[in-house]
This record gives sequence, C-alpha cells and structure tokens, in this order.
Amino acid sequence: KNEVEQSPQNLTAQEGEFITINCSYSVGISALHWLQQHPGGGIVSLFMLSSGKKKHGRLIATINIQEKHSSLHITASHPRDSAVYICAVSSHGGSQGNLIFGKGTKLSVKP
Amino acid sequence: GAGVSQSPSNKVTEKGKDVELRCDPISGHTALYWYRQSLGQGLEFLIYFQGNSAPDKSGLPSDRFSAERTGGSVSTLTIQRTQQEDSAVYLCASSLVGGANTGELFFGEGSRLTVL
Repeated sequence: KNEVEQSPQNLTAQEGEFITINCSYSVGISALHWLQQHPGGGIVSLFMLSSGKKKHGRLIATINIQEKHSSLHITASHPRDSAVYICAVSSHGGSQGNLIFGKGTKLSVKP
Repeated sequence: GAGVSQSPSNKVTEKGKDVELRCDPISGHTALYWYRQSLGQGLEFLIYFQGNSAPDKSGLPSDRFSAERTGGSVSTLTIQRTQQEDSAVYLCASSLVGGANTGELFFGEGSRLTVL
C-alpha cells in the first residue's frame, strides 16, 4: 500500500462544476503539499499546509491531521484547470523537501 | 534569476556515458532539492541541499548518482555510467528556509534524460 493515496485517479468535469480531489496518507507528517502539473510538464506549488484550511482564488485546500486526510477543492472549474494534481507529504523526522508523492489525479475540464 | 532554471532541457545519451544536469535556484533560496519523475515510478525525492551541504541524500538510487552545490547556489546532478532505467525527467526545486513562506517549493521545468 502506498503511503500517499489519491482519489480519484482520473476526473472529467464540465466547466463550472465544483471539484474535489482527495489525499490520504499513512505516516505522521510535518507538512502536506498540493502541486499542479500541466501537460507541458512544469510543476507549480499550489498549497503547503500543516493544519486547517487555505484558500487561493478558486482553490481551497483542507487538512484533517487526526484523520490523515486532505482535500483540494476547485470552485467554478474552467478548462485551464485541466492538469495533474499531486499530493505530497513530508514525514515527521524527515528533512523538508524529502517528499512522499501520491500518483496524481488527472483532471480534465470540458467547456 | 526570476525562477528555477535547469539545463539541458533535453539530453539523449548512450548507455554507459556520464551526464551532468544543472540547476540554478531562485536567488536567495538556501534549500535546493532534486527529484526524479519516471513513467513507472512517478515522482521521487533524490537529494536535499541546505547551503552547500547535503543533509539528506537518502533518495539517490545508487552510487552512480552524485550531486554537489557550490556557492550556495548552482547545483549539479551527475549520473555516471548511465543505464536505460535512468531515463526520466529530473526536476530541481528550491525554497526559502525561515520566514512565513518557508518550505514552499518552486520547481524548474526539468531536464528530460533519455538513455539509449
């Protein structure tokens, strides 16, 4: 079993829909990252969080430390949101940046 | 520079040759990381630098892989005697340490390595 599990693996949505991507992990963590990778390959950090909730524009990330679960929400989705979304954690005792990555969720938003 | 810069963007080499991949982090970022993304394995951590020292090399897959960082800035990842399984995209990231945004990662575009 992977230490970081994401669901769903693939997601197709219509423009305007509310989207949720889930991440569960099995290790104690110091931080959780949500990353976005576009088809060209570049990776952008969306959020880094260790508790609670963060919001940036139409994106919201939440984390429940007790349940070892995080969600990434996209409100009013748009075709430009189409990308692979990757959850990654840095474990307790590990160095920052020594991340354990999920396999990613491929999102396609249709106009 | 404005962002993390990696070179070359693409490298095709023959099995057994050595390759060097370069990363120029964001100015002022003391932390630098190398990751690898391959089709079969997804993303995986290779090595972490703080300044010029590497407190965590635990992700380097074999002793054919080494990395150094000089002047607290540019880093080079060297793969000796390349094998076909080394084919992957090698990604570099940097971050600030300390302050409100500590740990937020900024990624380069990657170096795609193909070993024939």
